[in-house]
Amino acid sequence: NAGVTQTPKFRILKIGQSMTLQCTQDMNHNYMYWYRQDPGMGLKLIYYSVGAGITDKGEVPNGYNVSRSTTEDFPLRLELAAPSQTSVYFCASSQNPGRGTEAFFGQGTRLTVV
Amino acid sequence: AQSVTQLGSHVSVSEGALVLLRCNYSSSVPPYLFWYVQYPNQGLQLLLKYTSAATLVKGINGFEAEFKKSETSFHLTKPSAHMSDAAEYFCAVSRSGSSYKLIFGSGTRLLVRP
Repeated sequence: NAGVTQTPKFRILKIGQSMTLQCTQDMNHNYMYWYRQDPGMGLKLIYYSVGAGITDKGEVPNGYNVSRSTTEDFPLRLELAAPSQTSVYFCASSQNPGRGTEAFFGQGTRLTVV
Repeated sequence: AQSVTQLGSHVSVSEGALVLLRCNYSSSVPPYLFWYVQYPNQGLQLLLKYTSAATLVKGINGFEAEFKKSETSFHLTKPSAHMSDAAEYFCAVSRSGSSYKLIFGSGTRLLVRP
């Protein structure tokens, strides 16, 4: 039972490079989320999606882009990486948090921008 | 918009002592509330959730939380701390109805002294 799978687990980027963080879930959940976690700051919502083809901004969307072409996949794109994007990124999915269902999290991607 | 405040970024207790982690929420409508735990270098996993049924909610590993509307609180407790409880704990809120966002507090790191 895979749940939410994130790749890669670790990555070092140079300033100005781009990359895509992959996220896949096999629970047929409609809702998917990207969070970043910085020490002492909790989790900040970057983008979320309520279904294939529908995405919306969260609390800290600048510097990121997402797409949701299928129910299973929700990749996060970083264009022109900056040191401020050094963080741990978590992908999560939920059937419907607005009706009380919990989110399931991936193991995270630790990204360092140098 | 909904929000969550966790009082105390670090809480230290002795093994066997009461654990109390505080969470206050802000929501214009009755919320759904969650407590998640994160062990080092792992993703988040659900401890318990409140979805407008019983106000006292029991979760895994002996944790429980009480929803108090008058105090807008959802504090997490455990009668007797165990060394294995050392982790970071996050309170989160999602609004009922049409909201799709799951918003987290800044987290509380629990330290358990032998």
